[in-house]
Parts: sequence; C-alpha cells; structure tokens
Amino acid sequence: KAGVTQTPRYLIKTRGQQVTLSCSPISGHRSVSWYQQTPGQGLQFLFEYFSETQRNKGNFPGRFSGRQFSNSRSEMNVSTLELGDSALYLCASSLETSGGGYNEQFFGPGTRLTVL
Amino acid sequence: SQKIEQNSEALNIQEGKTATLTCNYTNYSPAYLQWYRQDPGRGPVFLLLIRENEKEKRKERLKVTFDTTLKQSLFHITASQPADSATYLCALDTGGFKTIFGAGTRLFVKA
Repeated sequence: KAGVTQTPRYLIKTRGQQVTLSCSPISGHRSVSWYQQTPGQGLQFLFEYFSETQRNKGNFPGRFSGRQFSNSRSEMNVSTLELGDSALYLCASSLETSGGGYNEQFFGPGTRLTVL
Repeated sequence: SQKIEQNSEALNIQEGKTATLTCNYTNYSPAYLQWYRQDPGRGPVFLLLIRENEKEKRKERLKVTFDTTLKQSLFHITASQPADSATYLCALDTGGFKTIFGAGTRLFVKA
C-alpha cells in the first residue's frame, strides 16, 4: 500500500502570498489531520477532516484553512503568509474503526514552507 | 488548559543500556496514548498505542506503561542501539478528533 503523500515537498514564498498544500492519504483512510511543526513549538494541530467535514480545529488564525474531497484527499491553504508561517507542514491519515475511536496516524514526509 | 510534557529535551545513553522516556499530562482523561519516532526531516512514525485500561504494552525491545492515576506514561527501549537515536514523541487523544503531541525527547545512543 502506498503511504501518505504530500506535495510539494518544498516551497518558498514571500510575505503576503498564499499557498496551497496537498495531501493524499493511504487508500481506505478517511481521516486526515494537518500539523505545523517548528523547532520552537513542536507539532501543533491545525485541523482534522473526515468524510469532507472538519471535525476539529486547532488554535490558528483564520488565514489557515483546509478542505477534504470525496476521495479523502485534502488540501490546506494559508493566505497572507507571514514570516512565522515558515515550518514543516505534516499531514497524517488514520483508519477509523467501525466502533469509532481513533487509531495510529500515518504521517507523510511533510512540506517544508519557507516564507521570505 | 490541556498540557502534555516530555521529561527532557535530550537524553544521552550508552549502547546496550535501557532508555526511559517520560510523558506527563494534565487536564486530560485520554482514552489512549501513543508514542512516535521522528527522524530529522521526516514525518513521525507510529510505534505503540496503549489504551487507558492497559497498564503495559510491549513490542520487541519497546515497552510502554500508562498510569492514569499519575497521568504519566513511560517509554522504554531496552538494549539500545545507535540506530535508536531519534526524537520520540508522545501523543494524546483529546476525545474530540484532535491529537496533542508533546515536544519530544531527542535520544542519543552512543556506541
């Protein structure tokens, strides 16, 4: 089975621009979560999607948004980029069991975003 | 507010020894706790999951304990090897389709 894929792997943008990152989960996984990782803050939860619905969101400004498509692929968008948005953005997929609950997450390699 | 702490930023041990990493949390009653390994420039990789009604879980050289009274999990790597050098993250389910990660402990195993 193919793992979680993220595109692009590296991105350089300037302040004020916007960016869209893409994530393809493992086949059959319907839950997709996004995280921001920086040296100072560690892994910070951005949002989680399941069946095209956002079920939870972290403490990030409204400039950060996401969506999930019917094939479970997900995108996240950051508008009006700031220098502090430079980070590794990680996507993770998870297989929800029929009884609900939440299992291990499978992470992609991440997208390294640099804002100049 | 919900908080999760890992005992130290870095841990240095000699090859062959047992590494013990600690994860403490407050203001949670998680249904389960997970441990991940992360190598530089890569996404975390799942290692073990332990549920609230389990006291201990083992997988090869790895052992995890979960004490819901102390609100603490211990992660052990026995007979450690230089290849075990990495950052180890603990993660908690908050019950609302949201996982909180600790800052991680960087483990260095010296040959």
